[in-house]
This record gives sequence, structure tokens and C-alpha cells, in this order.
Amino acid sequence: DTAVSQTPKYLVTQMGNDKSIKCEQNLGHDTMYWYKQDSKKFLKIMFSYNNKELIINETVPNRFSPKSPDKAHLNLHINSLELGDSAVYFCASSQGKGLVANEKLFFGSGTQLSVL
Amino acid sequence: AQKITQTQPGMFVQEKEAVTLDCTYDTSDPSYGLFWYKQPSSGEMIFLIYQGSYDQQNATEGRYSLNFQKARKSANLVISASQLGDSAMYFCAMREDNYGGATNKLIFGTGTLLAVQP
Repeated sequence: DTAVSQTPKYLVTQMGNDKSIKCEQNLGHDTMYWYKQDSKKFLKIMFSYNNKELIINETVPNRFSPKSPDKAHLNLHINSLELGDSAVYFCASSQGKGLVANEKLFFGSGTQLSVL
Repeated sequence: AQKITQTQPGMFVQEKEAVTLDCTYDTSDPSYGLFWYKQPSSGEMIFLIYQGSYDQQNATEGRYSLNFQKARKSANLVISASQLGDSAMYFCAMREDNYGGATNKLIFGTGTLLAVQP
């Protein structure tokens, strides 16, 4: 069983469209994250939810809206897609709230988003 | 502010040899954790090893060890007896402790691409 699973793995779409990426974790973790990896492989946090509550919201365009229906799911909806949104988006989870240094992240396998 | 620096964009190593991937960090917090993740060409992020700032000994996990030099603020990853399957991107990351405070983020370096040659 995959611990953190995200779908789809690949997403090709045109500028201006709206798309969603889904993420589910079966680890019983309390916190879930979305990271964006750009073309230079740099990973940057976008959002974090703890038990359905938003706890980290980086400077991300408001076209990006995370939604957490329950603590095992964190979906990412993107409106009016732009060329610059092309990247790999990773979902991740951690056991606690990210308050202690040794809390490691478990990652999904990523979603390669290509905006044409 | 947190900062992670990986100065080696890419490295080659011969199979069965050891290799060191460099990572330096910058923090004013006395309590923090350092992580290494591996990203093979298939794309997933795999946790390798963790070192706490107060840990007395360097962390080891199988063929992976972390050369932690606190005064130098460096946390280099050492891979012994390299295998072809070690070819991947390697990321160093750090999180500061913040008991009772706001959640702190796991911040990543820019990565080092390791190629193991037969």
C-alpha cells in the first residue's frame, strides 16, 4: 500500500484551464503539505494543513487553493493555469504539526504538471 | 533566516567507491534537525537520514552516514560503496525546533545530482 498517494501522475493542460491534484495518506498523520519543484529541481513549500486547518500559507497566487476534507486528504485546485505553473507538485505528510526538528516528511510520487 | 547550501550541482563517482555530498546551513536557532532525501529519476522523494543538532554521534543508516560538524554548520552525506542505483538527485534539508510556537517549515537545498559510473 502506498503511504502517500497523489493523482494524477501527469497532467497536461492548456493555459486558462482549471485543474485539481488529489492527495491521500494512509499513515494516520496529522499534517499534510504541498511542495512545488521547479524546473531547476528547487523544492519550495506552498501550503500545510494540520487536521484540516491551514497552518502554512506561503506567498502563493490565490489561483492556488488547497482543500482538506479530512486529515487524510489534501487536494490542490489551480484556477486559470499559467505557463509558469508548469512544475512537479509533491504532496507530503508528517506525524505531528511540524513543531519539532526531527519530524520527517513522507512524500508522494509527484504530479508533473505541464501547461501549454 | 534559514538557509541550506549545496555547492555541488553534480558529481561523478566510480562504483564501489565512497562519495561525500556537501551541505552547509545557516541558522541562529540552537535546536534544529538536518535531513537528506534522495530523488531518483523516477521522481519520488525518499528519506535517507536524520541528524539532530544535539545528537552526540553522527547519524548512520546502512551505507549512508552524516558527517555533522556543528561548529562549521555542515552536514555532509557520505555514501559508502556506491552502487549504480545510487545515481539520483540528493537534497539536504533543515527544520528548526519551535516548541510552543508556529509550525516551522522543512527547507530544502538546491540538490546535488550524483552519477555512479560502472
